[in-house]
Amino acid sequence: DAKTTQPNSMESNEEEPVHLPCNHSTISGTDYIHWYRQLPSQGPEYVIHGLTSNVNNRMASLAIAEDRKSSTLILHRATLRDAAVYYCILRRNTGNQFYFGTGTSLTVIP
Amino acid sequence: DTEVTQTPKHLVMGMTNKKSLKCEQHMGHRAMYWYKQKAKKPPELMFVYSYEKLSINESVPSRFSPECPNSSLLNLHLHALQPEDSALYLCASSQDLGFGLAGGETQYFGPGTRLLVL
Repeated sequence: DAKTTQPNSMESNEEEPVHLPCNHSTISGTDYIHWYRQLPSQGPEYVIHGLTSNVNNRMASLAIAEDRKSSTLILHRATLRDAAVYYCILRRNTGNQFYFGTGTSLTVIP
Repeated sequence: DTEVTQTPKHLVMGMTNKKSLKCEQHMGHRAMYWYKQKAKKPPELMFVYSYEKLSINESVPSRFSPECPNSSLLNLHLHALQPEDSALYLCASSQDLGFGLAGGETQYFGPGTRLLVL
């Protein structure tokens, strides 16, 4: 299975934008890029996903490199409630395999 | 309703006990998942059910026994567990759109059951 690499931790000031990077150099042509986050003492929750084009939703934006070997999750204005572990996951277009990487722990500083 | 519920929230059991974890969803999803998560680690996939049939078993020890009685329910039966099995057990579900469409599916997770084995 294709792997993802993320920094262990990042910090951001409140109300500043945050760019969370993910490398996935072994991605295959049909793998989708998903981002989930896990707030303390909760189950993971879906943030955003994409295949080739950049994506926006109410929570975040996803910027995908042209060669698809990396992506960046963008939180436009970090709030204290965004403090969580953010996971970048490659999901195959067949089957139900869903494997988490090590994730990035985001700290938001007031 | 986009909720996955799990019961109990907390469970303490001895190594000789038999207990069960329960997961329920009413979103019409046909894929259901069990994950194990140790402290400060990512969730690890254990089992996947697709249309009530076990489709993935990630070489999980037989002291963990999954069951999918119907499309809304998923159980995890526990027997003769070890202290190292103490963890957060997460359930999730997704639509299961099938070949060529799975990549865009979203998983919905429950809050988990925190298990302590003494």
